Amino acid sequence: ETGVTQSPTHLIKTRGQQVTLRCSSQSGHNTVSWYQQALGQGPQFIFQYYREEENGRGNFPPRFSGLQFPNYSSELNVNALELDDSALYLCASSLGGAGLELTEAFFGQGTRLTVV
Amino acid sequence: GQNIDQPTEMTATEGAIVQINCTYQTSGFNGLFWYQQHAGEAPTFLSYNVLDGLEEKGRFSSFLSRSKGYSYLLLKELQMKDSASYLCAVREDFNKFYFGSGTKLNVKP
Repeated sequence: ETGVTQSPTHLIKTRGQQVTLRCSSQSGHNTVSWYQQALGQGPQFIFQYYREEENGRGNFPPRFSGLQFPNYSSELNVNALELDDSALYLCASSLGGAGLELTEAFFGQGTRLTVV
Repeated sequence: GQNIDQPTEMTATEGAIVQINCTYQTSGFNGLFWYQQHAGEAPTFLSYNVLDGLEEKGRFSSFLSRSKGYSYLLLKELQMKDSASYLCAVREDFNKFYFGSGTKLNVKP
């Protein structure tokens, strides 16, 4: 149990629709990263939020967007869903900031998104 | 860019020792992490290295050579429950992780 919770756990959407996934970070953590994990692959970095600002982005198109709220929970939004967006979406929370020692990231259980 | 390579699949016998290798070429480096992931579950943290050398945590050890862009995870006294995927990940700045595709470990009786 990592203290990172994601909702929903499973979701089925139709191609072209929009989806919002949610992540509650572990208490005291101010940084949330989102990852996409296709079947049989490792997680791929989508983007990271630190204190409500985007703090880096991987190789994903603009239809992948996000938000972080004052309580450090976060949302991942995907517009114009494509079949290839079917994957496990993981969020990871950690404590970030200047001068901090290396800290590990704690992953949520993920949201399994299926696009049909 | 980031390039992280690890073997796709390995098989070992219960009670044995197995070494999972990982090589990396990344634009930044701030630590090499190993995660375990059982099918359908989230990755869980196993071990990390920032400096060269061996880090030991019970049955798990991890080694890093930054000059060679190389790490390995060593699992001793294998148990059936160790059957899982093992993910090698390079941490760049500020807790951004770049993962390899994972090594599926099959432990047989």
